[in-house]
Amino acid sequence: GIQVEQSPPDLILQEGANSTLRCNFSDSVNNLQWFHQNPWGQLINLFYIPSGTKQNGRLSATTVATERYSLLYISSSQTTDSGVYFCAVRGNQAGTALIFGKGTTLSVSS
Amino acid sequence: EAQVTQNPRYLITVTGKKLTVTCSQNMNHEYMSWYRQDPGLGLRQIYYSMNVEVTDKGDVPEGYKVSRKEKRNFPLILESPSPNQTSLYFCASSFTGSDTQYFGPGTRLTVL
Repeated sequence: GIQVEQSPPDLILQEGANSTLRCNFSDSVNNLQWFHQNPWGQLINLFYIPSGTKQNGRLSATTVATERYSLLYISSSQTTDSGVYFCAVRGNQAGTALIFGKGTTLSVSS
Repeated sequence: EAQVTQNPRYLITVTGKKLTVTCSQNMNHEYMSWYRQDPGLGLRQIYYSMNVEVTDKGDVPEGYKVSRKEKRNFPLILESPSPNQTSLYFCASSFTGSDTQYFGPGTRLTVL
């Protein structure tokens, strides 16, 4: 099945810093999503981005499908950005699950 | 408001006592699925449904049942829960499965 690797596994930042999270995947996908899991365990949709670039406020994401990677950019980080960021992909076969990476744990201190 | 709801949000139960976790979506989505999240193992799919009366196993279906009698609801049934089913459970839905999947708030289940 598809393999999803995220890096770095852990990231510690001071408030105001910028960061880039990476997601590599091993096969063609028809769905790629970025999620933020907050301290209460909820999975928050950030982006649906199987290809191209999107921006939402301080967050943006780029997926280069031909090279099988996606990047999540966080600018001017805030303490509320802390949590775990997951990349999840779905292969091209109908019915296949979203396959999640192991996540990047982000800690932002003031 | 478009959303996926799950109930209960928290549940502590004992081994062997049947339970149902409900999942409902108000977005007229055809695709629904259940995941469990465990430390070190990440999120894994339990079951999914492409439409009413169409369900199929995911990666970890043992010990679980599902049904899809109506488009909006997709309950997860544990007929005889065991401690290894202690986990954080998520329901998700989307139109086709390859579009944006929306996740419910999660259900923390502890089986003693």
